[in-house]
Amino acid sequence: KQEVTQIPAALSVPEGENLVLNCSFTDSAIYNLQWFRQDPGKGLTSLLLIQSSQREQTSGRLNASLDKSSGRSTLYIAASQPGDSATYLCAVGEYNNNDMRFGAGTRLTVKP
Amino acid sequence: DAGVIQSPRHEVTEMGQEVTLRCKPISGHDYLFWYRQTMMRGLELLIYFNNNVPIDDSGMPEDRFSAKMPNASFSTLKIQPSEPRDSAVYFCASSFGGMPNYGYTFGSGTRLTVV
Repeated sequence: KQEVTQIPAALSVPEGENLVLNCSFTDSAIYNLQWFRQDPGKGLTSLLLIQSSQREQTSGRLNASLDKSSGRSTLYIAASQPGDSATYLCAVGEYNNNDMRFGAGTRLTVKP
Repeated sequence: DAGVIQSPRHEVTEMGQEVTLRCKPISGHDYLFWYRQTMMRGLELLIYFNNNVPIDDSGMPEDRFSAKMPNASFSTLKIQPSEPRDSAVYFCASSFGGMPNYGYTFGSGTRLTVV
């Protein structure tokens, strides 16, 4: 069974810092990987979706990479801002399975 | 498109009462998923539908939980009778052509509190 792990569980950084969030998965036979943002008391907002054939996706200050062979993905946030404070979740999609496996998330706090 | 719409946003009910959560997926999406989120267990898939047909309900915790999708634009998740341990945020998500191609779009969730 696919297991998705996100480390660290929480991260606090000063404004302006570049940071990396990590996601690892145990079964490399994935179809794609999706990064979400969740604000307190809110739903999940999709940030980036990487297909298995891709190595990375970029959107503004966000860059997500995927290394299937090592079972890892990273979400890079450049020049962090207090508005980036939220919980970031990664989710893995598998072949022959319409379910997505979610990590527990990393709670990010960007201090002004 | 207004996105995935869930109602109510908040629900507080007494133990033993019936609770019905509602979801309207994005028009044209043929997959609909119900998730539950708690601090202890994170996001858990309860059930999902394809073209209004339940495909996998192995995540439904007990017979007290049931879900229906009478048409392509509406789904319900019912808990009867409700218990305090059902307190959680329930999310609905939809996708087109199955998750693998396009990922999920989530609703804002229903926060359920059973007292």
